[in-house]
Amino acid sequence: GAVVSQHPSWVICKSGTSVKIECRSLDFQATTMFWYRQFPKQSLMLMATSNEGSKATYEQGVEKDKFLINHASLTLSTLTVTSAHPEDSSFYICSAWGSGQGTGSYTFGSGTRLTVV
Amino acid sequence: QKEVEQDPGPLSVPEGAIVSLNCTYSNSAFQYFMWYRQYSRKGPELLMYTYSSGNKEDGRFTAQVDKSSKYISLFIRDSQPSDSATYLCAMVPAGNTGKLIFGQGTTLQVKP
Repeated sequence: GAVVSQHPSWVICKSGTSVKIECRSLDFQATTMFWYRQFPKQSLMLMATSNEGSKATYEQGVEKDKFLINHASLTLSTLTVTSAHPEDSSFYICSAWGSGQGTGSYTFGSGTRLTVV
Repeated sequence: QKEVEQDPGPLSVPEGAIVSLNCTYSNSAFQYFMWYRQYSRKGPELLMYTYSSGNKEDGRFTAQVDKSSKYISLFIRDSQPSDSATYLCAMVPAGNTGKLIFGQGTTLQVKP
Protein backbone atom coordinates (compact mmCIF):
# COMPACT_ATOMS: atom_id res chain seq x y z
CA GLY A 1 0.00 0.00 0.00
CA ALA A 2 0.87 3.67 -0.17
CA VAL A 3 3.46 4.83 2.32
CA VAL A 4 4.42 8.28 3.49
CA SER A 5 7.70 8.54 5.35
CA GLN A 6 7.88 11.42 7.82
CA HIS A 7 11.07 12.55 9.54
CA PRO A 8 12.13 13.22 12.15
CA SER A 9 9.76 11.36 14.44
CA TRP A 10 10.66 13.64 17.29
CA VAL A 11 12.79 16.72 17.73
CA ILE A 12 13.75 19.03 20.56
CA CYS A 13 14.96 22.49 19.69
CA LYS A 14 15.80 25.71 21.43
CA SER A 15 13.47 28.65 21.33
CA GLY A 16 14.23 30.91 18.37
CA THR A 17 15.63 28.21 16.12
CA SER A 18 14.01 26.67 13.04
CA VAL A 19 13.00 23.08 12.50
CA LYS A 20 12.34 21.30 9.23
CA ILE A 21 10.01 18.33 8.93
CA GLU A 22 10.04 16.18 5.79
CA CYS A 23 7.39 13.97 4.28
CA ARG A 24 8.16 11.69 1.36
CA SER A 25 5.73 9.56 -0.60
CA LEU A 26 7.57 6.32 -1.21
CA ASP A 27 5.53 4.53 -3.84
CA PHE A 28 3.21 7.11 -5.36
CA GLN A 29 3.19 10.68 -6.54
CA ALA A 30 1.75 13.03 -3.95
CA THR A 31 0.06 15.78 -5.90
CA THR A 32 -1.46 17.23 -2.75
CA MET A 33 0.01 17.31 0.73
CA PHE A 34 -1.88 18.31 3.85
CA TRP A 35 -0.16 19.42 7.04
CA TYR A 36 -1.89 18.95 10.36
CA ARG A 37 -1.19 19.87 13.93
CA GLN A 38 -2.49 17.87 16.86
CA PHE A 39 -2.51 18.80 20.53
CA PRO A 40 -2.78 16.12 23.22
CA LYS A 41 -6.18 14.44 23.33
CA GLN A 42 -7.45 16.61 20.50
CA SER A 43 -8.24 15.95 16.87
CA LEU A 44 -6.15 16.92 13.89
CA MET A 45 -6.23 20.55 12.91
CA LEU A 46 -5.47 21.29 9.27
CA MET A 47 -2.78 23.92 8.93
CA ALA A 48 -2.27 24.11 5.19
CA THR A 49 -2.73 22.38 1.85
CA SER A 50 -0.04 22.32 -0.78
CA ASN A 51 -0.10 21.21 -4.37
CA GLU A 52 3.12 20.29 -6.13
CA GLY A 53 4.74 23.33 -7.66
CA SER A 54 2.26 25.79 -6.16
CA LYS A 55 2.15 27.98 -3.08
CA ALA A 56 0.50 26.45 -0.08
CA THR A 57 -2.98 27.46 1.01
CA TYR A 58 -3.10 28.18 4.71
CA GLU A 59 -6.08 27.79 6.99
CA GLN A 60 -7.38 30.80 8.82
CA GLY A 61 -5.26 31.69 11.82
CA VAL A 62 -2.16 29.85 10.62
CA GLU A 63 0.85 32.13 10.12
CA LYS A 64 2.30 31.40 6.70
CA ASP A 65 5.56 33.18 7.53
CA LYS A 66 6.03 31.00 10.57
CA PHE A 67 5.09 27.69 9.02
CA LEU A 68 6.86 27.53 5.67
CA ILE A 69 5.70 24.78 3.36
CA ASN A 70 7.56 23.61 0.30
CA HIS A 71 6.21 21.06 -2.15
CA ALA A 72 8.74 21.23 -4.93
CA SER A 73 8.41 17.66 -6.13
CA LEU A 74 5.75 15.00 -6.34
CA THR A 75 7.44 12.92 -3.68
CA LEU A 76 8.64 15.47 -1.15
CA SER A 77 7.02 18.16 0.96
CA THR A 78 8.58 20.00 3.87
CA LEU A 79 7.24 22.05 6.76
CA THR A 80 9.66 24.46 8.40
CA VAL A 81 8.73 25.94 11.75
CA THR A 82 10.65 29.20 11.87
CA SER A 83 11.74 30.95 15.06
CA ALA A 84 10.09 28.26 17.11
CA HIS A 85 8.63 29.07 20.51
CA PRO A 86 7.37 26.79 23.28
CA GLU A 87 3.78 27.29 22.14
CA ASP A 88 4.73 25.67 18.83
CA SER A 89 5.38 22.43 20.67
CA SER A 90 2.94 19.95 19.19
CA PHE A 91 2.52 16.82 17.09
CA TYR A 92 2.75 17.59 13.37
CA ILE A 93 1.41 15.14 10.79
CA CYS A 94 1.43 15.19 7.02
CA SER A 95 -1.07 13.48 4.75
CA ALA A 96 -0.68 12.86 1.05
CA TRP A 97 -3.18 12.38 -1.72
CA GLY A 98 -1.85 11.47 -5.10
CA SER A 99 -2.43 10.23 -8.57
CA GLY A 100 -3.60 6.66 -8.73
CA GLN A 101 -5.28 6.92 -5.36
CA GLY A 102 -8.98 7.42 -4.98
CA THR A 103 -10.75 9.34 -2.31
CA GLY A 104 -10.43 7.58 0.99
CA SER A 105 -6.79 6.89 0.37
CA TYR A 106 -5.27 9.82 2.11
CA THR A 107 -2.03 8.41 3.48
CA PHE A 108 -0.68 9.82 6.69
CA GLY A 109 2.89 10.08 7.85
CA SER A 110 3.83 8.78 11.28
CA GLY A 111 4.01 12.25 12.78
CA THR A 112 6.69 14.46 14.31
CA ARG A 113 6.65 15.43 17.93
CA LEU A 114 8.21 18.87 18.30
CA THR A 115 9.28 20.15 21.69
CA VAL A 116 10.60 23.69 21.91
CA VAL A 117 12.53 24.49 25.06
CA GLN B 1 -21.74 23.92 15.93
CA LYS B 2 -18.91 21.74 14.64
CA GLU B 3 -19.40 20.14 11.23
CA VAL B 4 -18.58 16.74 12.69
CA GLU B 5 -19.38 15.71 16.25
CA GLN B 6 -17.80 12.74 17.95
CA ASP B 7 -17.97 11.73 21.59
CA PRO B 8 -14.37 11.84 22.87
CA GLY B 9 -14.99 9.15 25.47
CA PRO B 10 -12.94 7.58 26.93
CA LEU B 11 -14.67 4.30 26.27
CA SER B 12 -13.58 1.26 28.25
CA VAL B 13 -14.77 -2.24 27.41
CA PRO B 14 -13.75 -5.81 28.31
CA GLU B 15 -11.96 -7.95 25.78
CA GLY B 16 -14.39 -9.65 23.42
CA ALA B 17 -17.04 -6.93 23.65
CA ILE B 18 -18.72 -5.32 20.67
CA VAL B 19 -17.73 -1.68 20.39
CA SER B 20 -19.86 0.99 18.76
CA LEU B 21 -18.29 4.30 17.78
CA ASN B 22 -20.38 7.08 16.29
CA CYS B 23 -20.22 10.45 14.58
CA THR B 24 -22.89 12.90 13.53
CA TYR B 25 -22.47 15.60 10.95
CA SER B 26 -24.32 18.64 9.76
CA ASN B 27 -23.12 19.10 6.15
CA SER B 28 -25.33 17.17 3.75
CA ALA B 29 -22.64 17.53 1.04
CA PHE B 30 -20.44 14.95 2.71
CA GLN B 31 -20.28 11.86 0.52
CA TYR B 32 -17.14 10.00 1.56
CA PHE B 33 -16.79 8.75 5.10
CA MET B 34 -13.70 7.34 6.71
CA TRP B 35 -12.62 5.83 9.98
CA TYR B 36 -9.02 6.13 11.14
CA ARG B 37 -7.27 4.48 14.04
CA GLN B 38 -4.51 6.38 15.78
CA TYR B 39 -2.18 4.86 18.31
CA SER B 40 -0.47 7.16 20.78
CA ARG B 41 2.22 9.30 19.14
CA LYS B 42 1.58 7.82 15.69
CA GLY B 43 -0.09 9.03 12.53
CA PRO B 44 -3.68 7.97 11.74
CA GLU B 45 -4.16 4.68 9.92
CA LEU B 46 -7.10 4.22 7.56
CA LEU B 47 -9.45 1.48 8.73
CA MET B 48 -12.53 1.85 6.58
CA TYR B 49 -13.99 4.15 4.00
CA THR B 50 -17.48 4.16 2.62
CA TYR B 51 -19.34 6.06 -0.02
CA SER B 52 -22.97 6.99 0.56
CA SER B 53 -25.39 5.12 2.80
CA GLY B 54 -25.09 1.47 3.73
CA ASN B 55 -22.82 -0.97 5.46
CA LYS B 56 -19.31 -2.13 4.71
CA GLU B 57 -17.61 -4.99 6.48
CA ASP B 58 -13.92 -5.83 6.76
CA GLY B 59 -13.02 -8.57 9.18
CA ARG B 60 -14.05 -7.54 12.67
CA PHE B 61 -14.91 -4.01 11.53
CA THR B 62 -18.20 -2.79 10.10
CA ALA B 63 -18.76 0.76 8.94
CA GLN B 64 -22.30 2.04 8.67
CA VAL B 65 -23.55 5.23 7.08
CA ASP B 66 -27.05 6.68 7.44
CA LYS B 67 -27.15 9.80 5.32
CA SER B 68 -30.78 10.53 6.11
CA SER B 69 -29.87 10.88 9.77
CA LYS B 70 -26.38 12.27 9.08
CA TYR B 71 -24.95 9.57 11.29
CA ILE B 72 -22.07 7.15 10.83
CA SER B 73 -20.91 4.27 12.98
CA LEU B 74 -18.00 1.91 13.31
CA PHE B 75 -18.57 -1.44 14.97
CA ILE B 76 -15.73 -3.58 16.26
CA ARG B 77 -16.57 -7.20 17.01
CA ASP B 78 -14.60 -9.38 19.40
CA SER B 79 -12.57 -6.41 20.57
CA GLN B 80 -8.95 -7.03 21.48
CA PRO B 81 -6.53 -5.13 23.74
CA SER B 82 -4.63 -4.23 20.56
CA ASP B 83 -7.70 -2.27 19.45
CA SER B 84 -7.01 0.21 22.25
CA ALA B 85 -6.44 3.47 20.41
CA THR B 86 -8.15 6.69 19.38
CA TYR B 87 -10.66 6.33 16.56
CA LEU B 88 -11.29 9.31 14.31
CA CYS B 89 -14.12 9.69 11.86
CA ALA B 90 -13.44 11.87 8.81
CA MET B 91 -15.52 13.10 5.89
CA VAL B 92 -15.09 14.66 2.48
CA PRO B 93 -17.71 16.38 0.29
CA ALA B 94 -18.57 14.84 -3.08
CA GLY B 95 -16.17 15.68 -5.89
CA ASN B 96 -13.70 17.16 -3.47
CA THR B 97 -10.26 15.69 -3.16
CA GLY B 98 -9.49 18.31 -0.62
CA LYS B 99 -9.25 18.41 3.09
CA LEU B 100 -10.71 15.85 5.43
CA ILE B 101 -13.04 17.08 8.13
CA PHE B 102 -12.27 15.15 11.30
CA GLY B 103 -14.29 14.37 14.36
CA GLN B 104 -12.70 14.91 17.74
CA GLY B 105 -11.75 11.25 18.10
CA THR B 106 -12.92 8.63 20.61
CA THR B 107 -10.38 7.02 22.90
CA LEU B 108 -11.04 3.31 23.31
CA GLN B 109 -9.51 1.02 25.90
CA VAL B 110 -10.06 -2.70 25.68
CA LYS B 111 -9.22 -4.40 28.96
CA PRO B 112 -7.93 -8.01 28.96
